[in-house]
Amino acid sequence: QKEVEQDPGPLSVPEGAIVSLNCTYSNSAFQYFMWYRQYSRKGPELLMYTYSSGNKEDGRFTAQVDKSSKYISLFIRDSQPSDSATYLCASIIQGAQKLVFGQGTRLTINP
Amino acid sequence: GAGVSQSPSNKVTEKGKDVELRCDPISGHTALYWYRQSLGQGLEFLIYFQGNSAPDKSGLPSDRFSAERTGGSVSTLTIQRTQQEDSAVYLCASSQTATNSPLHFGNGTRLTVT
Repeated sequence: QKEVEQDPGPLSVPEGAIVSLNCTYSNSAFQYFMWYRQYSRKGPELLMYTYSSGNKEDGRFTAQVDKSSKYISLFIRDSQPSDSATYLCASIIQGAQKLVFGQGTRLTINP
Repeated sequence: GAGVSQSPSNKVTEKGKDVELRCDPISGHTALYWYRQSLGQGLEFLIYFQGNSAPDKSGLPSDRFSAERTGGSVSTLTIQRTQQEDSAVYLCASSQTATNSPLHFGNGTRLTVT
């Protein structure tokens, strides 16, 4: 079993829809949670960074962590075609060096 | 630019040949990572450097893979006697410190072994 599981999709939604991307993890020691966005033929770029449980909002993006169920979510409101990319969740143990990634979900927003 | 720079961006090589991939991290970043991304797979950790400490090589898949970091800056990932299963995108990332800091990635080297 992978430490971080993510449905690879692909996921296709119409422009303006609310998108929900999800990951589960198995290591209860994970304390920091991140979402990266990766455009085709580019490196991943950091989108959201959260510590422990709770919500964090940044513009149209909201990251949510539920440590009790080991569930990580990213919500995108008013989705735009420019949001079309692969989204990767990642987790790390406090004090550790290695970031553990999910498989990535390929998202397409249709105009 | 101020980002992580990787070269070459694409590399096609014949099975059995050696290849070297280069990473130039963000200036001042002490931690440097190599990850591998295969088609449809997530990022697989390969190796990590932090300052002058011994590198964490726990993710290297075989002894054909090695990496070095000279002067605490530029890093080279070397794959000897390449195999077709080595075909992947090799991503380099750097961060300000090793612990809990977000990683900043380069655009990767797309390696194809024929």
